[in-house]
Amino acid sequence: EIVLTQSPGTLSLSPGERVTLSCRTSQSISNNYLAWYQQKPGQAPRLLIYGASSRATGIPDRFSGSGSGTDFTLTISRLEPEDLAVYYCQQYGTSLPYTFGQGTKLEIK
Amino acid sequence: QVQLVESGGAVVQPGRSLRLTCGASGFPFNGYAMHWVRQAPGKGLEWVAVLWFDGTNKNYVDSVKGRFTISRDNSKNTLYLQMTSLRAEDTAVYYCARDAYTFESGRLDYWGQGTLVTVSS
Repeated sequence: EIVLTQSPGTLSLSPGERVTLSCRTSQSISNNYLAWYQQKPGQAPRLLIYGASSRATGIPDRFSGSGSGTDFTLTISRLEPEDLAVYYCQQYGTSLPYTFGQGTKLEIK
Repeated sequence: QVQLVESGGAVVQPGRSLRLTCGASGFPFNGYAMHWVRQAPGKGLEWVAVLWFDGTNKNYVDSVKGRFTISRDNSKNTLYLQMTSLRAEDTAVYYCARDAYTFESGRLDYWGQGTLVTVSS
């Protein structure tokens, strides 16, 4: 099973700031099959990024993804108050079971 | 628009069974693989099972193999999760999610709002 480790566990930033979230995997991810999901309080997760760097439908361009191999990053260029959420990375297409990171909680100051 | 609506969650005793249902609309249900993902209270996401568009191939996380069965009725646009021999550690919100692909890619592009299963005596 591929283990995903996200850091930091919690992040508290002010609106307008740049946000960088990290996801490291225990094995190299084939074809960069790494996704990011956003889960706002009381809501279901929403796909943000797939293929490590492709934005899903309707996702604002302030969200971007990068990385390859075992190191991946989600960046929010300018933090908005509505970005308050927990962010999860997920590996898919490499091996079963599909696994998620433990999440990074993003707080807005 | 794509809609996924789960139902069937309940409070059940350990060892009992429960069937979850996910109704789909807004897209050709028979053209997509479907998944179940769960989230224990206050915890992260755990992938549970996947079923191909035509029901011919399925996979499960080890912790539910032999106890849970994923199935679908394409004529009713409905996905199911039959859960047996339930344990306290199965307590979670269960989400159904659409795969972005016909067979199975693991990319989950739409999610339902979830249904809560509580296993407790």
